[in-house]
Amino acid sequence: QKEVEQNSGPLSVPEGAIASLNCTYSDRGSQSFFWYRQYSGKSPELIMFIYSNGDKEDGRFTAQLNKASQYVSLLIRDSQPSDSATYLCAVNSGYSTLTFGKGTMLLVSP
Amino acid sequence: SQTIHQWPATLVQPVGSPLSLECTVEGTSNPNLYWYRQAAGRGLQLLFYSVGIGQISSEVPQNLSASRPQDRQFILSSKKLLLSDSGFYLCACRGPEVGYTFGSGTRLTVV
Repeated sequence: QKEVEQNSGPLSVPEGAIASLNCTYSDRGSQSFFWYRQYSGKSPELIMFIYSNGDKEDGRFTAQLNKASQYVSLLIRDSQPSDSATYLCAVNSGYSTLTFGKGTMLLVSP
Repeated sequence: SQTIHQWPATLVQPVGSPLSLECTVEGTSNPNLYWYRQAAGRGLQLLFYSVGIGQISSEVPQNLSASRPQDRQFILSSKKLLLSDSGFYLCACRGPEVGYTFGSGTRLTVV
C-alpha cells in the first residue's frame, strides 16, 4: 500500500514568518512530487512540483526533495494570511495516478 | 490550458436514490481523467481513472461506477446511494501540463 504521510496540523505561524510543511512517502520508486493548496470548500490547486533531489524555488515557495530519506517539504517565506489553507502533498504512484496525503492545515495570523 | 467543467456544485440525495455526476474537459485531447472523493476528515481517495474512451480502472470496490463515453467526458454513477457516499467529489485531468487540474467539485450529501 503506497502511503503519503503529513502532519494534519494546524500549523500556526505569524504573518511574515516562514512556514515549513513536511511530507514522507513509502514508495521508493516514486518519481514526481507535487504540492497542492486547498482552501476550505474549494478544489485543490497545484502550486509546486519537483522531480529531482534538492531545492526548487518559485517566488515565495520552495520545494525540497530528498529521495534517499523519502521526504518532501514545502517552505513558504513571508507567510501571508491569504496562505491559510490546507496543503496537500501528492506523489506519483504509477499509471499516471497520484497518491495524496491527508494534508496539513496552515494558519497564518496577522 | 485545460479547463474542467463539473456539475452540479452541490447535491442532496436520499439514501437509495441514483447518482450521475458529469465532468467535461476543454483545452486538451486524449487526457487521463480521474474521479476522487474527499470525505470529511479524510484525504483524497482515488475512485476511478481512465486513459481513454471506454477504458476505466477502479481503485476502490464500492457501489459506484464510472464511464467515459467521449474523449473529454467522464461520468460517475450509482444505482443506489449509501450514507457513506457523502463527500466532495472531484474530477481531475492530466493533459500535457504538469500535474493534475481539478474541477470545482460536487459536494454530495446523502440523507
